[in-house]
Amino acid sequence: AQSVAQPEDQVNVAEGNPLTVKCTYSVSGNPYLFWYVQYPNRGLQFLLKYITGDNLVKGSYGFEAEFNKSQTSFHLKKPSALVSDSALYFCAVRDKDTGRRALTFGSGTRLQVQP
Amino acid sequence: NAGVTQTPKFRVLKTGQSMTLLCAQDMNHEYMYWYRQDPGMGLRLIHYSVGEGTTAKGEVPDGYNVSRLKKQNFLLGLESAAPSQTSVYFCASASGQLNTEAFFGQGTRLTVV
Repeated sequence: AQSVAQPEDQVNVAEGNPLTVKCTYSVSGNPYLFWYVQYPNRGLQFLLKYITGDNLVKGSYGFEAEFNKSQTSFHLKKPSALVSDSALYFCAVRDKDTGRRALTFGSGTRLQVQP
Repeated sequence: NAGVTQTPKFRVLKTGQSMTLLCAQDMNHEYMYWYRQDPGMGLRLIHYSVGEGTTAKGEVPDGYNVSRLKKQNFLLGLESAAPSQTSVYFCASASGQLNTEAFFGQGTRLTVV
């Protein structure tokens, strides 16, 4: 069965500093990986995805993610954090081996950006 | 473009009561999903549908039923609510193409007392 893991419950970073939110995956074959963000009392918003091609994927709001096949990781990054980036971030993998094609989510990482 | 709309946004139920959560999407997506979100557990799949008239169980289906009578609507029912069903419920829709993202509703916060 496929799965994703987010090893950090919370990440704290100062505004203006680079940020990294970690994600590792376990999938047979090539993965379809996604990052979503959830602001308080809101639904999940799509940030970016890796399907194939370049290992560095660029997404919304200045975020990017690096796909590393040998380390089975898909870490979310941003060169300079903003206070407004504070939110809950989810890594997910799309189920490609069964008919349901659902997203399987990690447990989430809360990002706190301090002014 | 409304995307995915969930109603209601908030609800408090007494143990044993029933209710239905409605999800509507306007993107002509074949696939629709119901998830529940609990602290520290991410989102877990309750039920899903791969097309009008079809439904199937996800990872945590007990205590829930679903129906997809129309392509654009996916209903989640709780026949006899229990405190363990206190959660935030999200509906999502997606096309069948694996390289596309899913779209989520704003969520329903349900409290069972």
